[in-house]
Amino acid sequence: KAGVTQTPRYLIKTRGQQVTLSCSPISGHRSVSWYQQTPGQGLQFLFEYFSETQRNKGNFPGRFSGRQFSNSRSEMNVSTLELGDSALYLCASSLSGGDSPLHFGNGTRLTVT
Amino acid sequence: AQRVTQPEKLLSVFKGAPVELKCNYSYSGSPELFWYVQYSRQRLQLLLRHISRESIKGFTADLNKGETSFHLKKPFAQEEDSAMYYCALRIKAAGNKLTFGGGTRVLVKP
Repeated sequence: KAGVTQTPRYLIKTRGQQVTLSCSPISGHRSVSWYQQTPGQGLQFLFEYFSETQRNKGNFPGRFSGRQFSNSRSEMNVSTLELGDSALYLCASSLSGGDSPLHFGNGTRLTVT
Repeated sequence: AQRVTQPEKLLSVFKGAPVELKCNYSYSGSPELFWYVQYSRQRLQLLLRHISRESIKGFTADLNKGETSFHLKKPFAQEEDSAMYYCALRIKAAGNKLTFGGGTRVLVKP
């Protein structure tokens, strides 16, 4: 079974631009979660989608948004990029929630200049 | 709000020595606790979870609700155990929202 796939692997953007990151979950997984990883703040939860609905949301500004499609693929969008948005963005999928373990992708490294 | 603390950023041990990674959490209810590991150039992966009460790769972790701790232990460290370890907490009502600790880098020296 293919693992969680995130594209692109690397991105360089300038302040004020917007960016879209993509995540393809493991086949059959319906839950997709997004995390931001930075040296200063560590791993922080952004949001979770389940069956195309946002189920949970972390403490990030409204510039961070996401969506999930009917095939469970998910996208994350960040608008009006700031230097502090530079981070590794991780996507994780699971069968449902509750007792299902999370499977992480390799991440997308975003650099904002 | 819940919080997970891993007091050691770096643990350096010799091969064959015991290793213990500390994890303390703050949450008034009954959370689920996990340990995730990230080996060099690999993705973050689940090592073990407290509800399984199993030993993975020789590692064990016991949830101590009185001390709100979930320390990870291995009696004899191996060089391949060198990695970044993260303790994480999940509240059942919050789906797949994990609260992670800051991580502990383990270096096992030959």
